[in-house]
Amino acid sequence: DAGITQSPRHKVTETGTPVTLRCHQTENHRYMYWYRQDPGHGLRLIHYSYGVKDTDKGEVSDGYSVSRSKTEDFLLTLESATSSQTSVYFCAISDSRAGVAYEQYFGPGTRLTVT
Amino acid sequence: QQQVKQSPQSLIVQKGGISIINCAYENTAFDYFPWYQQFPGKGPALLIAIRPDVSEKKEGRFTISFNKSAKQFSLHIMDSQPGDSATYFCAASKDGNKLVFGAGTILRVKS
Repeated sequence: DAGITQSPRHKVTETGTPVTLRCHQTENHRYMYWYRQDPGHGLRLIHYSYGVKDTDKGEVSDGYSVSRSKTEDFLLTLESATSSQTSVYFCAISDSRAGVAYEQYFGPGTRLTVT
Repeated sequence: QQQVKQSPQSLIVQKGGISIINCAYENTAFDYFPWYQQFPGKGPALLIAIRPDVSEKKEGRFTISFNKSAKQFSLHIMDSQPGDSATYFCAASKDGNKLVFGAGTILRVKS
């Protein structure tokens, strides 16, 4: 999985509780991404980062926040989890050439269940 | 709205046959078109990718065909094997960021 780890790998939580998922990379890649995967939707981008402390929203960012204080770590936080956020969450990384990002590599995923 | 439409949803192919998965996109600014393969319980793995300056790219048994005027691209798996049974996703992006994925195709290769 291209030097990417995600933690935890599985989590069950209750509605209304905060949840933080962690992505850690050892590749020193500039770009990091959080996607969620749901049946019938493929993968959808939640947030991404193009450098330390530089983040931007993706397609489905409502209810999620992110932080990146170090190159190797990208955190995804659900401030108050809802059942609609039950999903499998994937982190991805990519490097850049001439300022352009390509070839995203994905981590093993975190299965989150909100009851 | 879904910017990348993928078909079929599922596909059954005999061993040795050709598997074909199609995708259509809407945004003419897209300039990077990867295909990912995903096995159950694993993250998607990059299989092959193409940029719009070429019409075809081949890597082993996997070929991407790209039709810029029709805004369509497809994945062909030649000599399909049971080990190719997986879910395949097409995607598109501008500058490699913000990948937009198709809904996925579940491929089963019968031995």
